[in-house]
Amino acid sequence: AQSVTQPDIHITVSEGASLELRCNYSYGATPYLFWYVQSPGQGLQLLLKYFSGDTLVQGIKGFEAEFKRSQSSFNLRKPSVHWSDAAEYFCAVGAGNTDKLIFGTGTRLQVFP
Amino acid sequence: DAGVIQSPRHEVTEMGQEVTLRCKPISGHNSLFWYRQTMMRGLELLIYFNNNVPIDDSGMPEDRFSAKMPNASFSTLKIQPSEPRDSAVYFCASRLWLAGANTGELFFGEGSRLTVL
Repeated sequence: AQSVTQPDIHITVSEGASLELRCNYSYGATPYLFWYVQSPGQGLQLLLKYFSGDTLVQGIKGFEAEFKRSQSSFNLRKPSVHWSDAAEYFCAVGAGNTDKLIFGTGTRLQVFP
Repeated sequence: DAGVIQSPRHEVTEMGQEVTLRCKPISGHNSLFWYRQTMMRGLELLIYFNNNVPIDDSGMPEDRFSAKMPNASFSTLKIQPSEPRDSAVYFCASRLWLAGANTGELFFGEGSRLTVL
């Protein structure tokens, strides 16, 4: 069964600083990987996804993520954080032999001016 | 375009009462998921349907929980009787499902916040 770990519960950065949120997955074959963002009181919105091909994927709002098979990771990055990026971020993993999409526990991002 | 619509947005009830949460998926989507979100456990997959058929309900906590999808445009999650530990935000999400391809983006509703006193 697939699983996903987000080691950082809470991250604080200054506006304009770079950001990296960590995600590690467990799955025997090539997983399908997603990053979602949740603003307070809202549902989740897809930022980006990886299925195959180029391991560096671009998403909305200036985010990107890199799939590293050797490290079982799919870290989310942004070169310069804006105050509006403050939210909770979820990594999720799906597998080809099941329709399940399993989410990590999330990382709460706080941005200081 | 209408997204996934959930009702009620907020529900406060007393222990022992029946709770019914409702979800209308995006038109044309044939796969529907119910998740529960709590501070302690994060986002837990409760059950999902493909083409109105329950595929995996292994995440349903216990027999007090039941979910139905009588047609492609409506699903319910029922808790009977409710308990304080059921307090959480319940999310419904839908997507277009293609057999053998677990790649479709999930679109989430805004959630139903349940408080059981």
